[in-house]
Amino acid sequence: AQSVAQPEDQVNVAEGNPLTVKCTYSVSGNPYLFWYVQYPNRGLQFLLKYITGDNLVKGSYGFEAEFNKSQTSFHLKKPSALVSDSALYFCAVRGNSGTYKYIFGTGTRLKVLA
Amino acid sequence: DTAVSQTPKYLVTQMGNDKSIKCEQNLGHDTMYWYKQDSKKFLKIMFSYNNKELIINETVPNRFSPKSPDKAHLNLHINSLELGDSAVYFCASSQDVGGYTFGSGTRLTVV
Repeated sequence: AQSVAQPEDQVNVAEGNPLTVKCTYSVSGNPYLFWYVQYPNRGLQFLLKYITGDNLVKGSYGFEAEFNKSQTSFHLKKPSALVSDSALYFCAVRGNSGTYKYIFGTGTRLKVLA
Repeated sequence: DTAVSQTPKYLVTQMGNDKSIKCEQNLGHDTMYWYKQDSKKFLKIMFSYNNKELIINETVPNRFSPKSPDKAHLNLHINSLELGDSAVYFCASSQDVGGYTFGSGTRLTVV
C-alpha cells in the first residue's frame, strides 16, 4: 500500500532564511511525487512534481524539491523564505502501477516570521 | 476562465436533507476526483472518474453518489445529510501523470 508522511505539523522560519518541509513516502515501483500549497479558504495549488529524470525539481514561487530514492524522501525547499510563503503544504504520491489514486500527506503548516 | 469550478461555494443545510455539489473543468482532462477535507485539514479521496467511468470508490457511505454525465463534469449528490458530513469538499482534475488542478472548494455545514 502506498503512503506518505509529513512528520512536522508546523515549521517556523525567519524571513530570509532557507526553509525545508519534509516528506517521506512508501510506494511499490517508481513514485510520482507532488507538492501542493493551500492558502486560507482556498483550494490546493500545484507547486512541482517529480516523475523521472533529474532528482532536483524546480517549481513555482522559487520552490524546489529533491527526490532521494535511497531515503524515500521528497523534501520541499526554498533558499530564502518570504512572509507570503506562510501556508499549508501538502506532499502527495502516486504509484506507477496504473492506479490514478494520489495519497496526500497530513499537511505541514509553514509560518514565516518577519 | 476558471479551470475547475465548483458550485456552490458555501452550503448550509439541515440534517436529513439531500444536496448536490457540481463541478466542471475546462482543461480537457480525462480524470476527475472528489476529495473531502476535514476540520484538521486532512484530505481524503472519495471518488474518481476517468472518461465517465468510475475508477476509484473509497470507503464512503452510500449516501454519497457521484455522477459524471461527461468527462468535463463530476457532480456529488449526498442523501440524508448528517452532522459529520460537514467539511470542505474539493473537486480536482488531472491528465496522465500531471498534477491535480483543484477547484476552490465547497464548504458544507450541516446543522
